[in-house]
Amino acid sequence: AQSVTQLDSQVPVFEEAPVELRCNYSSSVSVYLFWYVQYPNQGLQLLLKYLSGSTLVESINGFEAEFNKSQTSFHLRKPSVHISDTAEYFCAVRGSGSARQLTFGSGTQLTVLP
Amino acid sequence: ETGVTQSPTHLIKTRGQQVTLRCSSQSGHNTVSWYQQALGQGPQFIFQYYREEENGRGNFPPRFSGLQFPNYSSELNVNALELDDSALYLCASSEQTLQETQYFGPGTRLLVL
Repeated sequence: AQSVTQLDSQVPVFEEAPVELRCNYSSSVSVYLFWYVQYPNQGLQLLLKYLSGSTLVESINGFEAEFNKSQTSFHLRKPSVHISDTAEYFCAVRGSGSARQLTFGSGTQLTVLP
Repeated sequence: ETGVTQSPTHLIKTRGQQVTLRCSSQSGHNTVSWYQQALGQGPQFIFQYYREEENGRGNFPPRFSGLQFPNYSSELNVNALELDDSALYLCASSEQTLQETQYFGPGTRLLVL
């Protein structure tokens, strides 16, 4: 079984400042890791994913996350945020075995202030 | 390429009623997963369907049931609705591979009164 912990439920940050959203997971097997973003009254959009290979993965809108196996973390970072980045961010994990479901954290609300 | 679609977008029911939610998977995907997202929480896995068979189930009672059709679209049925069933129900489609990635629809918001 897997579990995900997002330590910060709310992160306020000023526009153009850097941000880090923290995600830690626990699993007894190898994992695949995902970050999804949810805008108000919408479904989840895939932001980025780690499946294999390079431990640093990037999204098209400037976010990046680094898989750290020793620290069981997959923190999300952006060097300079925009107002439009305001949303709820969910970290999710899936085991590499036959179980296919995603296990989500409780989410982090990122609010970018002008 | 069409994305994942869900219907209806919103629904209001009363306790004890039954509800059916629908999901059309993304083109080329053969697997559908359903999740329940209560207000202020992360999504919780309900079950997954692959080639019309249930392929994994989360910690939900049997009154939550599903179907997948030959075109890979899917239904989620909930019987004997309870107030705690009020939530956003999300459908995700994927291609069942070792490195599958799930793509989500916009969700159906269910309110049980």
